Amino acid sequence: AQTVTQSQPEMSVQEAETVTLSCTYDTSENNYYLFWYKQPPSRQMILVIRQEAYKQQNATENRFSVNFQKAAKSFSLKISDSQLGDTAMYFCAFFLQGGSEKLVFGKGTKLTVNP
Amino acid sequence: DTAVSQTPKYLVTQMGNDKSIKCEQNLGHDTMYWYKQDSKKFLKIMFSYNNKELIINETVPNRFSPKSPDKAHLNLHINSLELGDSAVYFCASSPQGNYGYTFGSGTRLTVV
Repeated sequence: AQTVTQSQPEMSVQEAETVTLSCTYDTSENNYYLFWYKQPPSRQMILVIRQEAYKQQNATENRFSVNFQKAAKSFSLKISDSQLGDTAMYFCAFFLQGGSEKLVFGKGTKLTVNP
Repeated sequence: DTAVSQTPKYLVTQMGNDKSIKCEQNLGHDTMYWYKQDSKKFLKIMFSYNNKELIINETVPNRFSPKSPDKAHLNLHINSLELGDSAVYFCASSPQGNYGYTFGSGTRLTVV
């Protein structure tokens, strides 16, 4: 079974600075997708970024970018120019194409952006 | 228009009661899901349906029964509620799982 590990339960960063959240996963398959979701205090789950495993290029969405290291099975999220509204739980997730067909989540990292 | 809507948002009930949570999506997605988020924020899949057909049924007690009257709706009925059922329940939908899921806003269930 695939597993997703987020080793940082909590992190904090000063407004306008850059922070990187770590995620590693375990799979022997090749055709999969990785995601980062944001859950602010409002409880809503928001898709931040998506990465296809077969693509070498790292995905970016405005201030959010990933560092995808397939051989190391690592998928970190970098948030640039942190804003107060970035304060949230961040979940890394894994989807195996043609496999279990379910999104498997890590335990999350609670990020606090300080003014 | 809300893409994935769940009702109710909050539900407080006594042990032993039966309750339902409703979910509707207007995105035209074929697949819908129920996830449970526990007190430590861990998200775990419970069920998934593809076009009204049950695809995934994780190790969930028989007291939980999903029902999908059509591909836009997936409801969750829970019998004989227990204290341990207290959690946030999320409904989600997807055209195909590799696009990621669109989540509803969650239902916080508190069993007292």
